Amino acid sequence: DGGITQSPKYLFRKEGQNVTLSCEQNLNHDAMYWYRQDPGQGLRLIYYSQIVNDFQKGDIAEGYSVSREKKESFPLTVTSAQKNPTAFYLCASNPGRKNQPQHFGDGTRLSIL
Amino acid sequence: DQQVKQNSPSLSVQEGRISILNCDYTNSMFDYFLWYKKYPAEGPTFLISISSIKDKNEDGRFTVFLNKSAKHLSLHIVPSQPGDSAVYFCAASDPLSNFGNEKLTFGTGTRLTIIP
Repeated sequence: DGGITQSPKYLFRKEGQNVTLSCEQNLNHDAMYWYRQDPGQGLRLIYYSQIVNDFQKGDIAEGYSVSREKKESFPLTVTSAQKNPTAFYLCASNPGRKNQPQHFGDGTRLSIL
Repeated sequence: DQQVKQNSPSLSVQEGRISILNCDYTNSMFDYFLWYKKYPAEGPTFLISISSIKDKNEDGRFTVFLNKSAKHLSLHIVPSQPGDSAVYFCAASDPLSNFGNEKLTFGTGTRLTIIP
């Protein structure tokens, strides 16, 4: 079955630590995205990538970093510079062509200990 | 500045009746609109979309209406079923972003509860 896999589902981080969230897709999609959701808010775009070895900042990129070395994988690192990292993180992908909906993984909930 | 607004945080509807979820937007350059359904601790699931060249799109029990002059879209679910209880997000695509049309702006969601 094709889909988007995010791991882990729950993640705990100590103050000052970097953590990396995994996102893998087997849909052969060119474009991948990372969003953040906070309680009572919509999804906000952190980073996106249209093709391998290319990525762009979204609306709230500060304190985050990404890489896109393979088409299937788009890991997100939450660095210690992110002041309020506790949130629900969602990865999405789509073919990258016009008017194609984005499809989401099941998310990773990050909490600070 | 919130460009996509869902002004009703919650909505309760009797099973079998019509559910109508509303969404307003301010950016007249949005040209593609989507509705997603989300259960707790899961990712959003794509439901239905509409291009700005249309005013209606239907898929089974789900119909999306777009009123460009009012900058308003709505999602109709008929008949409503208990499994429809979830949070619904509308989203809009900005064609002027530097990578084409796929930068989505989301509303804050409406929690729909279907009463058996």
